[in-house]
Amino acid sequence: GAVVSQHPSWVICKSGTSVKIECRSLDFQATTMFWYRQFPKQSLMLMATSNEGSKATYEQGVEKDKFLINHASLTLSTLTVTSAHPEDSSFYICSARLGQHTSGYTFGSGTRLTVV
Amino acid sequence: GQNIDQPTEMTATEGAIVQINCTYQTSGFNGLFWYQQHAGEAPTFLSYNVLDGLEEKGRFSSFLSRSKGYSYLLLKELQMKDSASYLCAVKDSNYQLIWGAGTKLIIKP
Repeated sequence: GAVVSQHPSWVICKSGTSVKIECRSLDFQATTMFWYRQFPKQSLMLMATSNEGSKATYEQGVEKDKFLINHASLTLSTLTVTSAHPEDSSFYICSARLGQHTSGYTFGSGTRLTVV
Repeated sequence: GQNIDQPTEMTATEGAIVQINCTYQTSGFNGLFWYQQHAGEAPTFLSYNVLDGLEEKGRFSSFLSRSKGYSYLLLKELQMKDSASYLCAVKDSNYQLIWGAGTKLIIKP
């Protein structure tokens, strides 16, 4: 089946540094990738939608200059958290849309980011 | 606005049956998903309903009524490993997924 490989699985970084999270579609072409953030005991919150070769569409309240999304190829999308702060500590998950029917979304395994 | 409601937490006994309800009000409807999420892990797909009725898949079944904006996930023969959060998500008219807050299911021996 369609697999999205996400790494790193977890990362600890110092406040003020930047962290890059990668999501690769291993056996299919992901034209659309969704980036979510999930705080403890809360549901998934969509941060942005990226389409290959174009600028990402950010949800209201998400700073585009802080959360840089690149989707330069059909198999790779990256999220860079710039100048990270402790409040950015969260679980970040990418998801690719496979189509418009049945189980049309597949998720990466998630990245636990801790900013100290 | 768009809204998906599901209970915050439910408790059930191993071997029993539990039904998790989900009601939604969204701008358009193109299908409803149920996902299972264990703590610290990404969601995993359980079911997808786009037409009214019951979809059965092993111990898990999902029901949809579009006229009522209602779905439920039915889990039978509960096992301890079923302890997890269950997320209801609706695909709206723009094919965006709108997520519920999730129902934490606690299974007791």
